Amino acid sequence: NAGVTQTPKFRILKIGQSMTLQCTQDMNHNYMYWYRQDPGMGLKLIYYSVGAGITDKGEVPNGYNVSRSTTEDFPLRLELAAPSQTSVYFCASTPGGVNYGYTFGSGTRLTVV
Amino acid sequence: ELKVEQNPLFLSMQEGKNYTIYCNYSTTSDRLYWYRQDPGKSLESLFVLLSNGAVKQEGRLMASLDTKARLSTLHITAAVHDLSATYFCAVDESYQLIWGAGTKLIIKP
Repeated sequence: NAGVTQTPKFRILKIGQSMTLQCTQDMNHNYMYWYRQDPGMGLKLIYYSVGAGITDKGEVPNGYNVSRSTTEDFPLRLELAAPSQTSVYFCASTPGGVNYGYTFGSGTRLTVV
Repeated sequence: ELKVEQNPLFLSMQEGKNYTIYCNYSTTSDRLYWYRQDPGKSLESLFVLLSNGAVKQEGRLMASLDTKARLSTLHITAAVHDLSATYFCAVDESYQLIWGAGTKLIIKP
């Protein structure tokens, strides 16, 4: 059982480039999330999805886009990368329900130069 | 605005001592999570607290939740070096986690 898998683990982008961070979960979880974590800070929600075909903005969505065409996959797209997007990005999922927890991926460390 | 405040943000302590990390929040949620994060690593789930008065213990760590006071505590008993990490609380607000800033805990031999 792989859980939540994120790729790549590390990436360096130049200002203005674009890229997609991949997130896949094999637990059939309905809810999926993208967070960013800046140094010494807690996590901030970028986008989330409550099921295939449904996405919504979180606290810090500017500069990002997402899609959820399947239950398993929730890619995060960065358009026109900026130095302010240098951060560690975590994908997470949960099944919801009464007694649920959240499973996190291993993270993607992104540097924009 | 939903807020989750942890204190202290930094804690340096000696092995064998006891201490408590506090997590105050401004929502009416009754679901709160504690996570541990080691440097450069992902988040490891420690506790899920689902109701008022919930208390959970694992080894030297014990977490509690008081929803009336909107307060959760993470108590460390007889600290050991291996517990050095950053600890986060997060409040679940309608399937969205609101995070505290984290408490960096350093335990010295």
